[in-house]
Amino acid sequence: GQQLNQSPQSMFIQEGEDVSMNCTSSSIFNTWLWYKQDPGEGPVLLIALYKAGELTSNGRLTAQFGITRKDSFLNISASIPSDVGIYFCLTTDSWGKLQFGAGTQVVVTP
Amino acid sequence: NAGVTQTPKFQVLKTGQSMTLQCAQDMNHNSMYWYRQDPGMGLRLIYYSASEGTTDKGEVPNGYNVSRLNKREFSLRLESAAPSQTSVYFCASSRDRASYEQYFGPGTRLTVT
Repeated sequence: GQQLNQSPQSMFIQEGEDVSMNCTSSSIFNTWLWYKQDPGEGPVLLIALYKAGELTSNGRLTAQFGITRKDSFLNISASIPSDVGIYFCLTTDSWGKLQFGAGTQVVVTP
Repeated sequence: NAGVTQTPKFQVLKTGQSMTLQCAQDMNHNSMYWYRQDPGMGLRLIYYSASEGTTDKGEVPNGYNVSRLNKREFSLRLESAAPSQTSVYFCASSRDRASYEQYFGPGTRLTVT
């Protein structure tokens, strides 16, 4: 079956640093979405990408749909304490099958 | 506008007991989903309902049943709970099956002893 790899699994960063994470696969996907989950809460949609090569920003967040359609990255610039949480990618294939990445745990230290 | 609501927030069951997790959305969405979240495994789809009156199995349906009661409500039932069903359960909804932008509830933390 399809293997969706999200990395890194966790990252410990200092406030003010930039954060980068990505999801990759050997399969081609039609959609990439990025979610953030705060501790004890449900995931919240951050950015949705629908076209290969698409680059979208949402405040300090930037995400791109890889040109090969097999990957996507999410960057957070100038991290702040409230950026702590788990970030997930969600992707869909041409049959509409949904698949979540395992998540990247972000910890921000002052 | 509450979005997606779930009840209960926490539940402890003994092995073999049954229970129903409730989910409701007020966004007039057609599609609804049930996921479970386990450490290190991300979110896995249990069942979904593309529209009122239809339900389909997801990746991990065994041990669960669902009911799409109406457009707003989608319940998940555990007929005979097992320790392997200890997890956090999330309900989500989207405008329709073709819209992958899902909105999640706050989750139900279930422990089966």
